[in-house]
Amino acid sequence: AQSVTQLDSHVSVSEGTPVLLRCNYSSSYSPSLFWYVQHPNKGLQLLLKYTSAATLVKGINGFEAEFKKSETSFHLTKPSAHMSDAAEYFCVVSEGGSYIPTFGRGTSLIVHP
Amino acid sequence: EAQVTQNPRYLITVTGKKLTVTCSQNMNHEYMSWYRQDPGLGLRQIYYSMNVEVTDKGDVPEGYKVSRKEKRNFPLILESPSPNQTSLYFCASSLFSSGTGEGELFFGEGSRLTVL
Repeated sequence: AQSVTQLDSHVSVSEGTPVLLRCNYSSSYSPSLFWYVQHPNKGLQLLLKYTSAATLVKGINGFEAEFKKSETSFHLTKPSAHMSDAAEYFCVVSEGGSYIPTFGRGTSLIVHP
Repeated sequence: EAQVTQNPRYLITVTGKKLTVTCSQNMNHEYMSWYRQDPGLGLRQIYYSMNVEVTDKGDVPEGYKVSRKEKRNFPLILESPSPNQTSLYFCASSLFSSGTGEGELFFGEGSRLTVL
């Protein structure tokens, strides 16, 4: 069985400071892991994905995430936040052979000027 | 432009009045799915389809029906809507059919449904 926990429902940062959005997962098989971003009144857009290749994954808009099997984590980071990064972020796990990806409950990123 | 199109984007209806939310994709994807998004719960899958005439239940299928008669279309049907189906609905498609779980999901912009 698969599950995912986003450890923070809200994260607030100042523009220009680092961003850390935390995600822990549980999976019985080698999982694929994703981060999606949802801007207000929009659908979700893929930021990045891990599919058993490099453990450090780079995505769009300067985001990256590191797959840590020993910690069952897939935290999303960005060195310097921009106002346009304010959005809802979802961590998603999908086991091989599963057609039902599991979404985390989301983390709302707030960026202050 | 590659896209997933949902209609209507906004709908207010009353309990028991059948409605259909349409979804169409132009990427020739085999896999399509429906999700509902509720505050604090993230997205939960309602139904998915691996190909034409192949559909299966997701995590929260009760009160919903789907059909997949054409590859590009995957309508969501609420035969007798109830207030607990008030939600934001998303359709998504993917080259997911290999079953590896690796495929990126492409989402529509959502349909906000209110059932009074």
